[in-house]
Amino acid sequence: KAGVTQTPRYLIKTRGQQVTLSCSPISGHRSVSWYQQTPGQGLQFLFEYFSETQRNKGNFPGRFSGRQFSNSRSEMNVSTLELGDSALYLCASSAGSSTVYEQYFGPGTRLTVT
Amino acid sequence: AQSVTQPDIHITVSEGASLELRCNYSYGATPYLFWYVQSPGQGLQLLLKYFSGDTLVQGIKGFEAEFKRSQSSFNLRKPSVHWSDAAEYFCAVGAQIGGTSYGKLTFGQGTILTVHP
Repeated sequence: KAGVTQTPRYLIKTRGQQVTLSCSPISGHRSVSWYQQTPGQGLQFLFEYFSETQRNKGNFPGRFSGRQFSNSRSEMNVSTLELGDSALYLCASSAGSSTVYEQYFGPGTRLTVT
Repeated sequence: AQSVTQPDIHITVSEGASLELRCNYSYGATPYLFWYVQSPGQGLQLLLKYFSGDTLVQGIKGFEAEFKRSQSSFNLRKPSVHWSDAAEYFCAVGAQIGGTSYGKLTFGQGTILTVHP
């Protein structure tokens, strides 16, 4: 099976712009979670989608949003970018419908905000 | 709320030496525990997991971890380290507490492993 794929891998944006990141889960996986990784804050949970519904959300401002499509692919959007949004954004897919299953991560999208 | 502490930010070992990376968690019920490894510029790779049962779990690449409820620990071990093991290691916990926990893993701050030849 192909692993989790994320596009694009690298992105440079200007403060105030918006950005959309894409994630394709492992075939058959219906849950997609998103994480932000920074040197200062480490890995932080953004949100999780299952069957096109957001089931859980972390402590991030409303500028961070996401969605999931019927084929389980997911996108996350960050509006009005700030310098502090520079990070590695990781998505992970999981097979389970219940709360805890192992998650498989993609390679990430490196976002740089200038 | 659950939390994970990895006390060692950076560990250096010689190739062939044994390795133990520490992880302590805070959570009221039985936790679901994971170890992941991340090479520079890459995503996270799952090494092993503990859900229930035998407290000593085996993973990939020769790694194992032991769950000790009394110490709230889940330490990662490897008997003989290879140069290719140099990477950053993350311990994570997931919680089976319903809607507030879906799809959420809480990670420790990570331990960077350097391997000397």
